[in-house]
Amino acid sequence: EDQVTQSPEALRLQEGESSSLNCSYTVSGLRGLFWYRQDPGKGPEFLFTLYSAGEEKEKERLKATLTKKESFLHITAPKPEDSATYLCAVQANSGNTPLVFGKGTRLSVIA
Amino acid sequence: KAGVTQTPRYLIKTRGQQVTLSCSPISGHRSVSWYQQTPGQGLQFLFEYFSETQRNKGNFPGRFSGRQFSNSRSEMNVSTLELGDSALYLCASSKGGAGGANVLTFGAGSRLTVL
Repeated sequence: EDQVTQSPEALRLQEGESSSLNCSYTVSGLRGLFWYRQDPGKGPEFLFTLYSAGEEKEKERLKATLTKKESFLHITAPKPEDSATYLCAVQANSGNTPLVFGKGTRLSVIA
Repeated sequence: KAGVTQTPRYLIKTRGQQVTLSCSPISGHRSVSWYQQTPGQGLQFLFEYFSETQRNKGNFPGRFSGRQFSNSRSEMNVSTLELGDSALYLCASSKGGAGGANVLTFGAGSRLTVL
């Protein structure tokens, strides 16, 4: 069974304090690993898709990396507006399987 | 372009009642997926429809059902509501083509409270 575990559950950072969120996964062949951001009262918003180990993608202060067993979302010099829940999901490489999500990391950035 | 639209945004029901939620996908997207989100379980997959056919189904009881219309709009229904059905129900659409990694675009969700 495909599984995604995210850690930590919650993270509190001072503005400018860089850190990383972890997403560990087990999947029977990876088609894609996805990162989403979710603000309170809203649906998840797509950030990145990673397809193979060694791949990296960047967007503003966020950088996502992928290994064969986990992905990291690095946040460089975060700002209060980066506060949100970050969700990781995987899609297996068999047919049209649905995305399996982790429970997310709730990030708070304090000014 | 318009995003994924879900209605209603909020609703309150009592145990035993039924509810129907609606989702209008992004124009041109043929796949609609439904997820249930709760604080304890996170996002759990309910079902996916593609071209009016259920393509995938999650591990939920038969009280949860859905359908998709020819214009790709989708509805989900929950019958005989239980307290545990209180959740945020999220709809997501994608192009849904075979073989590719499906980037889902989510709506804002329908917040269901069962009393």
